Amino acid sequence: DIQMTQSPSSLSASVGDRVTITCRASQGISNYLAWYQQEPGKVPKLLISTASVLRSGVPSRFSGSASGTEFTLTISSLQPEDVATYYCQEYNSVPFTFGPGTKVDIK
Amino acid sequence: EVQLVESGGGLVQPGGSLRISCAASGFTFTNYAMSWVRQAPGKGLQWVSGVSTSGGSGSFTKYEDSVRGRFTVTRDNSKNTLYMQMNSLRAEDTAVYYCAKGRDSDNYSFDFWGQGTLVTVSS
Repeated sequence: DIQMTQSPSSLSASVGDRVTITCRASQGISNYLAWYQQEPGKVPKLLISTASVLRSGVPSRFSGSASGTEFTLTISSLQPEDVATYYCQEYNSVPFTFGPGTKVDIK
Repeated sequence: EVQLVESGGGLVQPGGSLRISCAASGFTFTNYAMSWVRQAPGKGLQWVSGVSTSGGSGSFTKYEDSVRGRFTVTRDNSKNTLYMQMNSLRAEDTAVYYCAKGRDSDNYSFDFWGQGTLVTVSS
């Protein structure tokens, strides 16, 4: 099975800060990588698919990139409504593993 | 508007069975893969099972190792409904189970999610 790791596990940043979350796959996944946002008490929402394709309606401050088996989610200017846990997910092969999550809050 | 509405969760004893359902609307159900994703209390997300659609070739099911042989995912395209029969339930199956829509016929990234149904396995 492919293992997914995320770093950091949590972070606290100020409004307006640039925030970067990293996700690493244990083997190649051909950019079949999605990012989800789960606000406290809510259902997960898809932000990005195929490593870098922003879903329609998602604010442009969110972006994704890939380099080999390392993937990055960037929030260019953190907003209060971005407080959430962020998960990456590989959808290259069963069991379509999610990363353990990165909890983001406001300093 | 895409809607996914789960039902059927509840309290069940270890070793028991439960069937959960997901009623879909707002999209052409037959054209999309569907999955169940669970989240144990205070924990992260775990994909559990999924069913693709290959038109006339039928559908193909996939499972996470810990549920294979105990859980069965099916879809009724005439009713736009996804099901999961869960047998031999264990305490570690306790979670909110989300129904999730794939982005195409055999894609397991998820653009819409239901609100979830809670399954509690406890004596």
